[in-house]
Amino acid sequence: DSGVTQTPKHLITATGQRVTLRCSPRSGDLSVYWYQQSLDQGLQFLIQYYNGEERAKGNILERFSAQQFPDLHSELNLSSLELGDSALYFCASSVAEYEQFFGPGTRLTVL
Amino acid sequence: AQKVTQAQTEISVVEKEDVTLDCVYETRDTTYYLFWYKQPPSGELVFLIRRNSFDEQNEISGRYSWNFQKSTSSFNFTITASQVVDSAVYFCALIAYSGAGSYQLTFGKGTKLSVIP
Repeated sequence: DSGVTQTPKHLITATGQRVTLRCSPRSGDLSVYWYQQSLDQGLQFLIQYYNGEERAKGNILERFSAQQFPDLHSELNLSSLELGDSALYFCASSVAEYEQFFGPGTRLTVL
Repeated sequence: AQKVTQAQTEISVVEKEDVTLDCVYETRDTTYYLFWYKQPPSGELVFLIRRNSFDEQNEISGRYSWNFQKSTSSFNFTITASQVVDSAVYFCALIAYSGAGSYQLTFGKGTKLSVIP
């Protein structure tokens, strides 16, 4: 158990809908990272937050957004969902940049 | 930009055989970290090892060993006497500084290992 929690574990929704994925980092970790694992793109970095501020952006679509709250939990919002957004979404947290701890992931299925 | 290449998409071995998973990386940074993760069928990412760019010592942990060679930009992973429980997708990854205080993991495409009983 990494200490990072993600909810929900599974999510099934329809095209055009909006969903929110939640991540609670390990106690004391200020950085939260979001990664997407899809069949065609593999595992790729989406976005990083550090202590409530956006730190870096990767290949994140404009339909996707994220935020980190004062209690350091983070939410990833996916809107206008398309079939291709079906993927496993991982959250990771860290206190040191070279050590990211991954949550169990949220499996999103868009029908 | 960073890049990690795992040329082997899928490998099948018979139980008790040794298997080596290849990883080649590219980065312009002199300080970086290399990782191997295991993703079993259940989907979670299991951390296996981290190496920094200044430590080229090979490492052995039980049946697992890693060979880091900066001269060839490779970080290969060997499983000795493979077992069915080793069946999983294995990812090699790299962390290097990406600007503005950000360090993000760049993953290879993964190698799916199937160990046949």
